[in-house]
Amino acid sequence: AQKVTQAQTEISVVEKEDVTLDCVYETRDTTYYLFWYKQPPSGELVFLIRRNSFDEQNEISGRYSWNFQKSTSSFNFTITASQVVDSAVYFCALSLIYNQGGKLIFGQGTELSVKP
Amino acid sequence: GAVVSQHPSRVICKSGTSVKIECRSLDFQATTMFWYRQFPKQSLMLMATSNEGSKATYEQGVEKDKFLINHASLTLSTLTVTSAHPEDSSFYICSAAGWADYGYTFGSGTRLTVV
Repeated sequence: AQKVTQAQTEISVVEKEDVTLDCVYETRDTTYYLFWYKQPPSGELVFLIRRNSFDEQNEISGRYSWNFQKSTSSFNFTITASQVVDSAVYFCALSLIYNQGGKLIFGQGTELSVKP
Repeated sequence: GAVVSQHPSRVICKSGTSVKIECRSLDFQATTMFWYRQFPKQSLMLMATSNEGSKATYEQGVEKDKFLINHASLTLSTLTVTSAHPEDSSFYICSAAGWADYGYTFGSGTRLTVV
């Protein structure tokens, strides 16, 4: 069975601090896809990134960066120089079949609070 | 990009009544629709998966007679909460997947309150 664990339930930082959100996944399949989503208080899910299991390259997008390590089954997300607008719940998710028919399995979510 | 329109965004209904939630894919054909439920401070839990023209597949513990899912066309899927009770109050969100490489496109969610 597949599982996604986000051990950090809540994180509180002060603006401009760097923060890393942890994500550990479990699957026996060799092909899988990992995602991060942001859920602001309004509730909609904002797609941040998708990674397939064959691409372990780390990615940077502005203040966001992701560290994918298959050896530790982790897909961690770092926000550099956090801002108040980063306050939201962040979900890590796993899918075995991308797009067609493959359900997303979500972690428990990490609520990030960035204080001014 | 791909857009899924979900309506209503908020609904309050009386206990015992039924509520229908619609998700429409606006610029792509959604061959698969996923329906999730999210209670406050919790994660998204998959309720069911539906493929266009087929019966939905429900996750364990989800009452199929209570949560009716229809996916009769490639652009529309509906979730009907029948005989709603206060414990059905939750945030419901749909996610569509189609042939194009749009990944999972989520609707904006429906906050259901049963009084």
